[in-house]
Amino acid sequence: GAGVSQSPRYKVAKRGQDVALRCDPISGHVSLFWYQQALGQGPEFLTYFQNEAQLDKSGLPSDRFFAERPEGSVSTLKIQRTQQEDSAVYLCASSSWSFGSYEQYFGPGTRLTVT
Amino acid sequence: SQQGEEDPQALSIQEGENATMNCSYKTSINNLQWYRQNSGRGLVHLILIRSNEREKHSGRLRVTLDTSKKSSSLLITASRAADTASYFCAAANFGNEKLTFGTGTRLTIIP
Repeated sequence: GAGVSQSPRYKVAKRGQDVALRCDPISGHVSLFWYQQALGQGPEFLTYFQNEAQLDKSGLPSDRFFAERPEGSVSTLKIQRTQQEDSAVYLCASSSWSFGSYEQYFGPGTRLTVT
Repeated sequence: SQQGEEDPQALSIQEGENATMNCSYKTSINNLQWYRQNSGRGLVHLILIRSNEREKHSGRLRVTLDTSKKSSSLLITASRAADTASYFCAAANFGNEKLTFGTGTRLTIIP
């Protein structure tokens, strides 16, 4: 079956532009996560949804970052007024949250470069 | 912030040898997971060990967990060129599904 997909795969933005990154989770997966991965580092948690409810947004680095999942399926991560430090790979993951199953399935990521 | 550290940061071994990577974490966990990342397949789940388990096996993978030392290790036996990748441990706390990743070990298998 289809895995987690993300679009675009690559995005170049000029400093100050707004960007929107899309994530299509595995069908039926209740939980959806966004992570940010800087070059040479491990992924860092940004935010987490269970269905359409955003349960944890403690990792969002500033109020320029906003995520939504209005119908409990597709999610969008929006970054307003991009800065150079926002350059990173943004990873989306989903999980089924069935009892005893904690595995997260990751998408290929969106590589954002802010110039 | 990262949950903890992994060591070594980089490891190069000959094909057929065993590779061991270590991970330390900071807080109490529900489970600890290991993921592999390479450019071809992205980030892929390898194995999960629960906080009440001490050792787990999956194929050529063996993971151990020592909650008293807040540490885990991943052993890959009989390494293959295809095992070349970065390996990350990821801790899951109680009551929250989010993962807190380590800094990663870059493994290179020399044919």
